[in-house]
Amino acid sequence: GAVVSQHPSRVICKSGTSVKIECRSLDFQATTMFWYRQFPKQSLMLMATSNEGSKATYEQGVEKDKFLINHASLTLSTLTVTSAHPEDSSFYICSSTVVGYTFGSGTRLTVV
Amino acid sequence: KNEVEQSPQNLTAQEGEFITINCSYSVGISALHWLQQHPGGGIVSLFMLSSGKKKHGRLIATINIQEKHSSLHITASHPRDSAVYICAVIIGGNTPLVFGKGTRLSVIA
Repeated sequence: GAVVSQHPSRVICKSGTSVKIECRSLDFQATTMFWYRQFPKQSLMLMATSNEGSKATYEQGVEKDKFLINHASLTLSTLTVTSAHPEDSSFYICSSTVVGYTFGSGTRLTVV
Repeated sequence: KNEVEQSPQNLTAQEGEFITINCSYSVGISALHWLQQHPGGGIVSLFMLSSGKKKHGRLIATINIQEKHSSLHITASHPRDSAVYICAVIIGGNTPLVFGKGTRLSVIA
């Protein structure tokens, strides 16, 4: 079946630094990748949609200059949290729809 | 008001009990997912359905499109079923899922 590999699974970083999260489609090509964020006890919320070879589309309220999305190839989409702050601490997860809905394993980001 | 509402938010059951989690939605959908999220955060798709009923092992999912309602049932519950169960709808095409807030299930031995 389709597998989306997401790394890292857990990261702790200092305030002001940047963190890159990668999602790779291992056995299929993904032209689109959805990026979600989940705060504690809250539902998953769509942040942005990455599209291979073109600009990502961001949901209202998500700062595109802070959450940089790159989808440079059909098998790799990345989310970079720039100048991270404690309020960015959250669970980030990607999903592709090529073969049903396939999720990455998620990244728990803690900014200290 | 959320487009996808789940109930209950939290559920504690004794091992062996029959469990029902409900999901109501307010928009037209092409399909509905039931997902399972474990404490580490990983998400597994349990069912995708657009009509009727599906069964997999001890899990049963039903949907009534006219009433905009779906249920997830777990028969003979077990502690390993403890997780957050999330209802999510597909509005159409290659679109992202719209999620409910989830139901946190704890099954006690």
